[in-house]
Amino acid sequence: AQSVTQLGSHVSVSEGALVLLRCNYSSSVPPYLFWYVQYPNQGLQLLLKYTSAATLVKGINGFEAEFKKSETSFHLTKPSAHMSDAAEYFCAVSGGATGTASKLTFGTGTRLQVTL
Amino acid sequence: EAGVAQSPRYKIIEKRQSVAFWCNPISGHATLYWYQQILGQGPKLLIQFQNNGVVDDSQLPKDRFSAERLKGVDSTLKIQPAKLEDSAVYLCASSLPLAGATDTQYFGPGTRLTVL
Repeated sequence: AQSVTQLGSHVSVSEGALVLLRCNYSSSVPPYLFWYVQYPNQGLQLLLKYTSAATLVKGINGFEAEFKKSETSFHLTKPSAHMSDAAEYFCAVSGGATGTASKLTFGTGTRLQVTL
Repeated sequence: EAGVAQSPRYKIIEKRQSVAFWCNPISGHATLYWYQQILGQGPKLLIQFQNNGVVDDSQLPKDRFSAERLKGVDSTLKIQPAKLEDSAVYLCASSLPLAGATDTQYFGPGTRLTVL
C-alpha cells in the first residue's frame, strides 16, 4: 500500500525567503508522486508530478521538487516566496490494484503562510 | 476549456436528512472520482468510475452513501441519512485514462457540507 507523510502542518516564511515543504513516501512499487495546491474555497490544482522521467521536476509558479529514492522523499521547494503562494499544499502518491493505478493517496497537507 | 463543475457549492442539513451532490467532468474525461476532505485532512477517495462503471468503491460507506454516473458523463453522490461526521468538502475530479498511475486529475471547487 502507498502512503505519504507531510512533516509540518504549518510553515511560515517571509516574502522572498526559500520555501521548503517536506514529503516522504512509502510504496511497495515504484511510486508516482504529485504536489497539489489548494487555495481557500477552491479545488486542488496540480503543481507538478514525478513520473520517473527525471528526478528534478519543475512545476508551475516557480515550484520544483526532487525525487530522492534513497531518502524516500519528494520535497517541494521555491527559491523566493511570494504572498500569492499562501495556500494549502498536498503531497500525493498514485497506485493501487489493477484498474485503480490512478488512485491518489494524499498526505494531511501543509499550510503555507507568507509574511511581509 | 471548461473545468470540472460541481453544485451546490455549500449545503447545510440536519442529521438524518438526505443530500445529493452533482458533478460534471471535463468533456472527454472518462474517469471520474469523488473524494471526501474532512477539515484538517487530505482528500480521501470514496469512489472511482471508468465511464459509467465503478472501478473502486472500497472506501465508500455503502450503508449511507451511493453514487452513480449515468451515460458516463455527469455523476451524482448521495448521502442518506447524513451523520454529523459526514461534514466535509466533497471534491469531484476527472482525468483522461492515458497511463493510469501518472494521469493528472483535475478537481472541481468542491461542495462544502455541514451536518447539524
